[in-house]
Amino acid sequence: GNSVTQMEGPVTLSEEAFLTINCTYTATGYPSLFWYVQYPGEGLQLLLKATKADDKGSNKGFEATYRKETTSFHLEKGSVQVSDSAVYFCALTDGNNRKLIWGLGTSLAVNP
Amino acid sequence: GAGVSQSPRYKVAKRGQDVALRCDPISGHVSLFWYQQALGQGPEFLTYFQNEAQLDKSGLPSDRFFAERPEGSVSTLKIQRTQQEDSAVYLCASRKTGENIQYFGAGTRLSVL
Repeated sequence: GNSVTQMEGPVTLSEEAFLTINCTYTATGYPSLFWYVQYPGEGLQLLLKATKADDKGSNKGFEATYRKETTSFHLEKGSVQVSDSAVYFCALTDGNNRKLIWGLGTSLAVNP
Repeated sequence: GAGVSQSPRYKVAKRGQDVALRCDPISGHVSLFWYQQALGQGPEFLTYFQNEAQLDKSGLPSDRFFAERPEGSVSTLKIQRTQQEDSAVYLCASRKTGENIQYFGAGTRLSVL
């Protein structure tokens, strides 16, 4: 079945550092891909998405490109801030109802 | 409403008790999903509704879990005879017809003692 593999955390960076969180997937068909973020004490929020190969999703300085040839959707940000500290989840749609299949999440801590 | 609302936010149950978790989706959203998120894990799909019809319940872990959405709006997830392994955050999400984005509530954290 479809699955998502994310790099393990925690990831600790200094403010203004470059961020990459790796996400690879296994899927049949043409899923949509998502990054969701969970800030401390809050619910899951959509960060960005891509619906087809070579699409680039972007939001709040974060970017991810849907790479079908490498089955990847890596999350990047050029300069992280303390406020980016959160848990990041990669997910894909699955099946006719397009439920979400999730990675395990990657915890990011950004120090001033 | 403005967002997906879940209640209660926290629930402590003794092993063997029944619990009911409520989800109030975004007004007009036809699709509703329930997920279970264990500590340190990603969410796992439980069940899916389109209006009042439960079209997929393949993720429900046992027959102690039951979900309903009788009028196609508010949904309730019921867990009978709770066990310690049911301790998790239960997430509800809704989706608008024609869109591919699920909007999540803050979740209900269930602790079974």
